[in-house]
Amino acid sequence: DGGITQSPKYLFRKEGQNVTLSCEQNLNHDAMYWYRQDPGQGLRLIYYSQIVNDFQKGDIAEGYSVSREKKESFPLTVTSAQKNPTAFYLCASSIRDRGLLYGYTFGSGTRLTVV
Amino acid sequence: DQQVKQNSPSLSVQEGRISILNCDYTNSMFDYFLWYKKYPAEGPTFLISISSIKDKNEDGRFTVFLNKSAKHLSLHIVPSQPGDSAVYFCAACRRDDKIIFGKGTRLHILP
Repeated sequence: DGGITQSPKYLFRKEGQNVTLSCEQNLNHDAMYWYRQDPGQGLRLIYYSQIVNDFQKGDIAEGYSVSREKKESFPLTVTSAQKNPTAFYLCASSIRDRGLLYGYTFGSGTRLTVV
Repeated sequence: DQQVKQNSPSLSVQEGRISILNCDYTNSMFDYFLWYKKYPAEGPTFLISISSIKDKNEDGRFTVFLNKSAKHLSLHIVPSQPGDSAVYFCAACRRDDKIIFGKGTRLHILP
């Protein structure tokens, strides 16, 4: 059964620490995305990758880093430079020539809290 | 600059009645428009979409209408059910480009 898996569901981080959020998909999708959701802000794009070993900054990339070494995986690192990291993080994927009528497939999200 | 706007943060509708969620956009080059539904602490799920060459698409209780001259689209849910209570995101994109989301509208279905 194909899908996107985000782990962990809940994550707590101390101030000043880096933390990595996992995103794995077995849909054979080419493109992967990271979004952040804050109350009243909707979904804001952090980073995206359309092919392996390539990625681009989204609208709010500062304080984040990503890698795309495998087609199936697109981990997001929240660094200590991110000033307000507490949020709900969503990973998504899509096929490259995607038949856009079906949009992205989203994971179930990771809630990150800085303590 | 917000390219996709959902001006109503929330909407309350009686169960069984019609829910109408609205969305405006500014980029006339968008090729596709989509609606996603999201429950708390879950990822959004795709609901329905429409190509820019059409003005209506229907799927069961859900219908999306597109008015290109007004740069406006709407999602109609008939009849509204308790399980429809969620946040609905309007989204749009150009072919082979990333999807741009609105800020969402929270729909409350009242018993």
